[in-house]
Amino acid sequence: EVVLTQSPATLSLSPGERATLSCRASQSISNYLGWYQQKFGQAPRLLIYDTSNMATGIPARFSGSGSGTDFTLTISSLEPEDSAVYYCQQRSNWPYTFGQGTKLEIK
Amino acid sequence: EVQLVDSGGGLVQPGRSLRLSCAASGFTFGDYPMTWVRQAPGKGLEWVGFIRSKTYGGTAEYAASVNGRFSISRDDSKNIAYLQMSSLKIEDTAVYYCTRGLDYVYFWGQGTLVTVAS
Repeated sequence: EVVLTQSPATLSLSPGERATLSCRASQSISNYLGWYQQKFGQAPRLLIYDTSNMATGIPARFSGSGSGTDFTLTISSLEPEDSAVYYCQQRSNWPYTFGQGTKLEIK
Repeated sequence: EVQLVDSGGGLVQPGRSLRLSCAASGFTFGDYPMTWVRQAPGKGLEWVGFIRSKTYGGTAEYAASVNGRFSISRDDSKNIAYLQMSSLKIEDTAVYYCTRGLDYVYFWGQGTLVTVAS
């Protein structure tokens, strides 16, 4: 099973700042990595698929990069509504797996 | 509009069984694999399993943590996917989400809470 390790566990930033979230895979997963945003009490929402492709309706301030085992989700200029938990997910090998999440707090 | 409505959750004792349902609308249900994902209270997300469309055999795959205890099925005539859970354990307590598709999840149900406790 591919283990995804996200860092940091918690990130606290101010509006307008840049957020960089990391996801590391225990083995190479090519570019088969996605990112989700989950706000409290809601189902997750897909942001990015296959490393760098934006899902429909996602603001342009979200972007993804990486390959192999190291991946990054960047939020270029934080908005208050970006406060959420962010999960990465791999689809390279079944069982697909999620990272443990990064909690992003907006000050 | 794609809609997935999860139901069937509740309080159940360890060792008992429970069946969850996912009523789908807004798309051609039979064309898509359906997946179940769960989230324990205050915890992260975990894939439970998925069922292929009939075109691809209609077979299911499961996470190791539930393999042999959980079973996913589908009724394409009713646009419903099912998650049959047996030999439930306390650690199966979670919100269970029905989702459409397999590789990445674009559409989620609202989730149904299953609490396993004595």
